[in-house]
Amino acid sequence: AQKITQTQPGMFVQEKEAVTLDCTYDTSDPSYGLFWYKQPSSGEMIFLIYQGSYDQQNATEGRYSLNFQKARKSANLVISASQLGDSAMYFCAMREGLGNFNKFYFGSGTKLNVKP
Amino acid sequence: AAGVIQSPRHLIKEKRETATLKCYPIPRHDTVYWYQQGPGQDPQFLISFYEKMQSDKGSIPDRFSAQQFSDYHSELNMSSLELGDSALYFCASSWGGAGKRNIQYFGAGTRLSVL
Repeated sequence: AQKITQTQPGMFVQEKEAVTLDCTYDTSDPSYGLFWYKQPSSGEMIFLIYQGSYDQQNATEGRYSLNFQKARKSANLVISASQLGDSAMYFCAMREGLGNFNKFYFGSGTKLNVKP
Repeated sequence: AAGVIQSPRHLIKEKRETATLKCYPIPRHDTVYWYQQGPGQDPQFLISFYEKMQSDKGSIPDRFSAQQFSDYHSELNMSSLELGDSALYFCASSWGGAGKRNIQYFGAGTRLSVL
């Protein structure tokens, strides 16, 4: 079974509007971490936001927030006030366990296009 | 702040040649990870090292090997290159410990083209 599922291969959003990128995950481990990364066309992988399985509150980092619904196993990324520079590929990832050496599972990504 | 450094950024090789990719983690990070990302695909985990010892292994071909050195830098050695090895290779590093988020920070990647 897929560990991370991103069901939106591509999305469009108007500049200055908010957008939600979906991510669902599958794990039986009670301890895990959820991550979102941004990959612009230049190729680098940029860390955006982290949510731990025991965190009580949804994570926020500037214009990024993570809508964490544990019972539904979803970790959607919300980008507020979209900017042209937000156009990129976005990957959701999960690490099972709390160990530093636990590998990541990535979703297939969502390509976001911000329209002027 | 210092980031993960990968070299070279671009590499062109021919079939059956060898290649060595280098990764310098963020200072004080104790774990290094290697990923392979094919065109239009998500990154696939290859291998990781924690405190210079292999900690986990993913879909790394037998033709590839990697190690982490005493200064924590890591090298991915790839032999008998095949056309299918053409991809973007990422190195990531993290720093662990109790209560840490163990966020993996990625380098800019090495784009390998096998002709």
